[in-house]
Amino acid sequence: SQQGEEDPQALSIQEGENATMNCSYKTSINNLQWYRQNSGRGLVHLILIRSNEREKHSGRLRVTLDTSKKSSSLLITASRAADTASYFCATDEGDSWGKLQFGAGTQVVVTP
Amino acid sequence: EAGVTQFPSHSVIEKGQTVTLRCDPISGHDNLYWYRRVMGKEIKFLLHFVKESKQDESGMPNNRFLAERTGGTYSTLKVQPAELEDSGVYFCASSQDQGAEDGYTFGSGTRLTVV
Repeated sequence: SQQGEEDPQALSIQEGENATMNCSYKTSINNLQWYRQNSGRGLVHLILIRSNEREKHSGRLRVTLDTSKKSSSLLITASRAADTASYFCATDEGDSWGKLQFGAGTQVVVTP
Repeated sequence: EAGVTQFPSHSVIEKGQTVTLRCDPISGHDNLYWYRRVMGKEIKFLLHFVKESKQDESGMPNNRFLAERTGGTYSTLKVQPAELEDSGVYFCASSQDQGAEDGYTFGSGTRLTVV
């Protein structure tokens, strides 16, 4: 079964706007990670939030984690055309370090 | 520092043939992972090496898939014989530690097409 499920599946915004995407998961986790994939490229690690953290920032990225609701959100502020990509959340579960469970991804298109 | 390198980047083979994918992790990374994304589905874990040992191979779909990491450096993933449903993108990732702050470093993937 799918561990991380993302919402929305697709998001289209204009440059300068903020993009928010959500991820829900089912089991207890060690951490939750967000990755970006540009078309035809590999996965790029964006940010990791541990299970005992609630919010984390990295540049224009802000991620939150609510373990009671088993959900996370990724906010990209002041989006740029270069942010156009697919974004995936991935959970690192209790006793399975490195066995990431990925969501289906959110496809983000940022138009100039 | 070189990243995770995978080759070939693309491979098109006929059903029944054999294909071997290779992954070179970041030097010094003991942990190496294989994942794949088949058409229209989410990225799925295949297996995890710690050095040359298979730590977890619970995601390997069947015995047509064989992964090796002799000497604990690069890894190969062989599919023999390939079937149509094996088509997809195969990713490799590596890390020094598990759960490290910088996550896992992924390669660009090998796009496998079985016709």
